[in-house]
Amino acid sequence: AQKITQTQPGMFVQEKEAVTLDCTYDTSDPSYGLFWYKQPSSGEMIFLIYQGSYDQQNATEGRYSLNFQKARKSANLVISASQLGDSAMYFCAMRVYSSASKIIFGSGTRLSIRP
Amino acid sequence: EPEVTQTPSHQVTQMGQEVILRCVPISNHLYFYWYRQILGQKVEFLVSFYNNEISEKSEIFDDQFSVERPDGSNFTLKIRSTKLEDSAMYFCASSSSPYEQYFGPGTRLTVT
Repeated sequence: AQKITQTQPGMFVQEKEAVTLDCTYDTSDPSYGLFWYKQPSSGEMIFLIYQGSYDQQNATEGRYSLNFQKARKSANLVISASQLGDSAMYFCAMRVYSSASKIIFGSGTRLSIRP
Repeated sequence: EPEVTQTPSHQVTQMGQEVILRCVPISNHLYFYWYRQILGQKVEFLVSFYNNEISEKSEIFDDQFSVERPDGSNFTLKIRSTKLEDSAMYFCASSSSPYEQYFGPGTRLTVT
């Protein structure tokens, strides 16, 4: 069975600091993808970044990077130079390709940025 | 930039009534999905749809639920005989590849 674990229910970070949101996953499937989504208070789900299980390099998208450690089955999201607008719920998610389609989500981390 | 749209943004219905939630996926996408998020909880997969048929569904997606692509642009989720526990945010998503799924803004369903 596949599982995503986010152990930080909430985090407070000072503006302009870097922040790491933890995510570990479990799957026996060798082909999978890992995602991070941002959910602001307005409720929409915003795709941030994707990492494939066979990708050699860590994914980066602007201020977002994914620290992918395959042996440890972790896929932490790093946000550099945090901004007030980064305050939101962040979900780590996984898709295994033998499953064809569905994404499994973690329970989320609520990030609050202090001015 | 193309985006997934959903209507209505908020739907209030009485227990036992039928509701239809509507989604317009991104135009060149071929895979469509519905997820739900009960308030304060994680996002849960309901169903995926490809080539005019369901490709996968979760245990949540029982006979109360159905999906349809009635034309070339819309993708709908029908909930028959709604229950109080169906109250949630329902997200539609679409993708053209396995690498990402783009979510719509969601429909908040309140069953009273």
